[in-house]
Parts: sequence; structure tokens; C-alpha cells
Amino acid sequence: DARVTQTPRHKVTEMGQEVTMRCQPILGHNTVFWYRQTMMQGLELLAYFRNRAPLDDSGMPKDRFSAEMPDATLATLKIQPSEPRDSAVYFCASGWGGQIYNEQFFGPGTRLTVL
Amino acid sequence: SQQGEEDPQALSIQEGENATMNCSYKTSINNLQWYRQNSGRGLVHLILIRSNEREKHSGRLRVTLDTSKKSSSLLITASRAADTASYFCATALYTDKLIFGTGTRLQVFP
Repeated sequence: DARVTQTPRHKVTEMGQEVTMRCQPILGHNTVFWYRQTMMQGLELLAYFRNRAPLDDSGMPKDRFSAEMPDATLATLKIQPSEPRDSAVYFCASGWGGQIYNEQFFGPGTRLTVL
Repeated sequence: SQQGEEDPQALSIQEGENATMNCSYKTSINNLQWYRQNSGRGLVHLILIRSNEREKHSGRLRVTLDTSKKSSSLLITASRAADTASYFCATALYTDKLIFGTGTRLQVFP
């Protein structure tokens, strides 16, 4: 049963602390997306990678957010320093990239609370 | 910014009734997809309709697309309590980058 996994599922931290979220895409998928979901802004694309290379990170605040794919089985999203406005649910999704008719497979999300 | 807006924002119906959700978007698209999100979960892909298609069916789901009006609708027939979820439309243009709408919260009462 292939699925996207994310860790941690919940994270509570204090303002100023570093937060790292991890995602394991479905084996064989070559595209990974990071989204943020809030009540006010809805679902926003932060960044996405194809074959581990960043394709678009225009939705990501560059001063504090960074996204990487150290290898094909791991994507990370880091916030440093974290702020209360970063509180949200962060989703990772993966897919077979390079075609525009492909669905995305979402992980369960990381619920981040910054106090 | 979001490409699509769903209407209504929330919908409550009884089991067995049909549920219709609408999505409007702003720019040209290559395809439009519908996703479901159960409370506390990630999104699950339901159906994809290409810009040159007008209607598509999948089980109890029927999707229509009107590119001249930049709108789509999702019809769920004979709804069940398990259909209770939020439903999002998402559009794609030249790449597999999706722009999601604001979502419709559907509540189906037994």
C-alpha cells in the first residue's frame, strides 16, 4: 500500500525555534510538492521538486524557509526561525512529474503550532 | 493567490440526496482536478477533466467543465455519510503545478 509519509504528524514549538518537517514520497515518484494549509489562505504551494531539483519555490518565504531533497526518498522543509504566523498544516505530495495530467498523492500532513 | 473559488462554501444534505459543488477559475487551463479532504487528513484525488472535455463520470461522481465560463461542477449522486468532507478543485496550465480553490465543506447527515 504505497503512500506518502510525513513526520512529525504534530509539532508544537516556541517562536524562534527551528522546525524541520520530513516527507517520504511514494517510491518511484519523481516530483515532490510542499503545501501549506490555513483557514485564511487555504492551500498554498510552497515549493516543488523534480528529480530532486527545485523547480519552483516562489511561494516560499525565502528568509526563513528552506526545502531540500537530500535523496530520492526524503524531502525536508525547514523553518528557521519559526514565527506564530507559520502555524498551519504542512502537506507533502508526490507524483510522476513531467506530464500535466498526473494526480498528486498527498501525505497526512504535519500540524505545526508556533507559540 | 488562489485560482479557483468553490461555491457554496458549505453544504448540508441528507443521505441519498445529490450534492453539487461549483468551481470558478480565472485563467486558461489545461486540466481541472477535484480532490477530497477528510477532516485531519491529506487530500485524495477524485477525478481529472481535460480542457477539451465537457463531462466525465467516475462511479457516483459527475464532473462538468465549461471553459467559456471558466467553471466546473462536481455532482455526487446518492450521497452517503462517508462523503462528508471538504472538496477542492485544482487547475493546471502548462505544468503539473496545481492551483487549488477555496473548497466546499460537505456535510451528509444519516
